[in-house]
Amino acid sequence: AQTVTQSQPEMSVQEAETVTLSCTYDTSESDYYLFWYKQPPSRQMILVIRQEAYKQQNATENRFSVNFQKAAKSFSLKISDSQLGDAAMYFCAYRFYNQGGKLIFGQGTELSVKP
Amino acid sequence: DAGVTQSPTHLIKTRGQHVTLRCSPISGHKSVSWYQQVLGQGPQFIFQYYEKEERGRGNFPDRFSARQFPNYSSELNVNALLLGDSALYLCASSLAGQARYEQYFGPGTRLTVT
Repeated sequence: AQTVTQSQPEMSVQEAETVTLSCTYDTSESDYYLFWYKQPPSRQMILVIRQEAYKQQNATENRFSVNFQKAAKSFSLKISDSQLGDAAMYFCAYRFYNQGGKLIFGQGTELSVKP
Repeated sequence: DAGVTQSPTHLIKTRGQHVTLRCSPISGHKSVSWYQQVLGQGPQFIFQYYEKEERGRGNFPDRFSARQFPNYSSELNVNALLLGDSALYLCASSLAGQARYEQYFGPGTRLTVT
């Protein structure tokens, strides 16, 4: 089965601190993209970061970085210098090279940021 | 430039009724995908359309159908509504249908079935 597991339904972080959100996935395919999306209360799904499975180098976007372990099928998101605006639901997802637009999402982790 | 737009924002329907949700992609985008997000869960893929043809279908019953128009806008239709169809319906557009193209999501339509 093609699944994405986010084992932390809720996480909390102090403003300016660092937090890591976990994600594991299960697939027998070897070619895919991995994503982290952010969904604030406004409901708009926003792409945070993207990783291509064939790239060994971990993706980084400003304060956001990933730890991609392909053999372990693990894809965690690290948020550094957390800001109040980072509070949102975070979804891990992947998409196969040969399946067009179909994204497979996890259940989400709700992140709260304390001032 | 305008992002992905969806209408209506909210909708309340009764069991057994039919509903049509609409999506306008970002200008220049030719592919539209639809997702259902039940409260407390991640989105589930329903359909992808590219160049007015269905390119992918998720595990949803035949009550769900969609189409894409020549201007690349799209409609999602759901017949014989059930209480379990209550969800946020998200539309995403991309330049083309291939996986390498990024998807941009709209704000969603909140459907409540009573």
